[in-house]
Amino acid sequence: KAGVTQTPRYLIKTRGQQVTLSCSPISGHRSVSWYQQTPGQGLQFLFEYFSETQRNKGNFPGRFSGRQFSNSRSEMNVSTLELGDSALYLCASSLLGKGFREQYFGPGTRLTVT
Amino acid sequence: ELKVEQNPLFLSMQEGKNYTIYCNYSTTSDRLYWYRQDPGKSLESLFVLLSNGAVKQEGRLMASLDTKARLSTLHITAAVHDLSATYFCAVDSRETSGSRLTFGEGTQLTVNP
Repeated sequence: KAGVTQTPRYLIKTRGQQVTLSCSPISGHRSVSWYQQTPGQGLQFLFEYFSETQRNKGNFPGRFSGRQFSNSRSEMNVSTLELGDSALYLCASSLLGKGFREQYFGPGTRLTVT
Repeated sequence: ELKVEQNPLFLSMQEGKNYTIYCNYSTTSDRLYWYRQDPGKSLESLFVLLSNGAVKQEGRLMASLDTKARLSTLHITAAVHDLSATYFCAVDSRETSGSRLTFGEGTQLTVNP
């Protein structure tokens, strides 16, 4: 079974631009979560989507948004990029289930904002 | 707000030695995860602990969970260089209906020959 895939793997953008990152979950997984990892703040939850609906949201400004498609693939968008948005963005997918929801992480997208 | 704290944050140890990484969390939860991250890589799942008293072992690593103390430990036995990595614990809060992991700061482990 293929794992979680993320594209692109590396990205360089300029301040003020916007960026879209993509995540394809493991086949059959309907929940997709996004996390940001930076040296200063560590790993922080951005949002979670399930059945095309945002189910949870972390404490990030409105510049960070996402969506999920009917095939469970998800995209996240960051508008008006700031230097502080430079980070590793990780996507994780999980099966729907009560209680136990192990998350499987993709390889990440390394975003550099200059 | 759920808080997860790990200690130590940095750990340098010699091959063959034993050590323990601690993970404390601030709210009721019975779902705790341990991940490993190598430099520049993603998170690799090591253990999933789902109930009080759960203990899991894989090779030289053993993880346990005490939900009453809100404490999980990751014990390293007879460390080898290949275990050098950053280890994260993460808690899945009962307060949310979906999946939302709160991570500790990570413990950067270096095993020296």
